[in-house]
Amino acid sequence: GAGVSQSPSNKVTEKGKDVELRCDPISGHTALYWYRQSLGQGLEFLIYFQGNSAPDKSGLPSDRFSAERTGGSVSTLTIQRTQQEDSAVYLCASSLATASSYNEQFFGPGTRLTVL
Amino acid sequence: GQQVMQIPQYQHVQEGEDFTTYCNSSTTLSNIQWYKQRPGGHPVFLIQLVKSGEVKKQKRLTFQFGEAKKNSSLHITATQTTDVGTYFCAATPNTGNQFYFGTGTSLTVIP
Repeated sequence: GAGVSQSPSNKVTEKGKDVELRCDPISGHTALYWYRQSLGQGLEFLIYFQGNSAPDKSGLPSDRFSAERTGGSVSTLTIQRTQQEDSAVYLCASSLATASSYNEQFFGPGTRLTVL
Repeated sequence: GQQVMQIPQYQHVQEGEDFTTYCNSSTTLSNIQWYKQRPGGHPVFLIQLVKSGEVKKQKRLTFQFGEAKKNSSLHITATQTTDVGTYFCAATPNTGNQFYFGTGTSLTVIP
């Protein structure tokens, strides 16, 4: 079956523009995570969706960042008025259940965002 | 907030030598996962540890979860060039549902 897919794979934008990043999780996975990874760094948690529950937005770095998950499946991460420090690889992951039970996160290939 | 420290940040070993990376949390964990990320790739799940003092093995890899469930380690015996990559731990605290990733240990194996 298909894994987690993300689009676009690369995005180059100008400072101040808005961008939308898309994530298609594995079918049937109720949990979806967004992370940000800067060059040579670890994964920074951004937001977490679980089923129909309110998302955990505690990792979003500013109000320029927002995310939606429509119909419990596809998710879109939106960054408004992009800044150069937003440049990073944005990774999406999905899993069968919550982090408190046995499950693994399946990562997508990521979207490399470059803000000029 | 939750902090997950991972050491060392970098490790260079000669092929055939052993390698260990350590993950430490400031709070008690519900469980811990380990991931491997090859250069240019995305993280791939290796294992999850849940029980206090748990030890799991996968061929040359040995994973341990501390008795207090605050630390974990990954040990690779007789490294090979295919082991090259960055190893991350991902911890879930007793409260909350999100994962906190460690800073990762980048392993270089010199043939």
